[in-house]
Amino acid sequence: DQQVKQNSPSLSVQEGRISILNCDYTNSMFDYFLWYKKYPAEGPTFLISISSIKDKNEDGRFTVFLNKSAKHLSLHIVPSQPGDSAVYFCAASGYSGYALNFGKGTSLLVTP
Amino acid sequence: DAGITQSPRHKVTETGTPVTLRCHQTENHRYMYWYRQDPGHGLRLIHYSYGVKDTDKGEVSDGYSVSRSKTEDFLLTLESATSSQTSVYFCAISGGAGAVVTDTQYFGPGTRLTVL
Repeated sequence: DQQVKQNSPSLSVQEGRISILNCDYTNSMFDYFLWYKKYPAEGPTFLISISSIKDKNEDGRFTVFLNKSAKHLSLHIVPSQPGDSAVYFCAASGYSGYALNFGKGTSLLVTP
Repeated sequence: DAGITQSPRHKVTETGTPVTLRCHQTENHRYMYWYRQDPGHGLRLIHYSYGVKDTDKGEVSDGYSVSRSKTEDFLLTLESATSSQTSVYFCAISGGAGAVVTDTQYFGPGTRLTVL
């Protein structure tokens, strides 16, 4: 049973605009959330994370928002650049040192 | 980037043959993981290790075994490969010395395995 869901398989955004990628989770024990970016033929690269004690975390153009009551998080990329075109995975953890639960990914295409 | 290498990067093998994939890290991280990535499934955990000689099963462990005899190496073995094990395999590490959060995992470049 998928505990982390990314319901949009793909997203297309124009360069310079905001990209919003969404993620929902079902397990209330999750307390740490991460976003990874993956290019073809490469491993996932850690992008940004957020602890359940926060509702927002920023790192440059990337901001992650967490809404615990809705069990929902989102990744905002502003402004979007063509180099941001990749597959983005949402992941969640409830136990330190254990597995991450991954969503199926959202393929982002940023067009010039 | 964390120093993680995987070997081989590509492998084609036949059904019924044994296969071993290697993950090597130079970061002295405590935890190591093996995931597989398949279309429509995201990444799924096969096995993980929480220390030398300490391993446990993940979500999709059937048909796989692992060993960790040194901190830096984590081996994944398919005793008798099947076509359903055709996949891309990723190694990950977490829990570096002094890490406040051990949940952030860093991934290797992957091994593409094809079982004919």
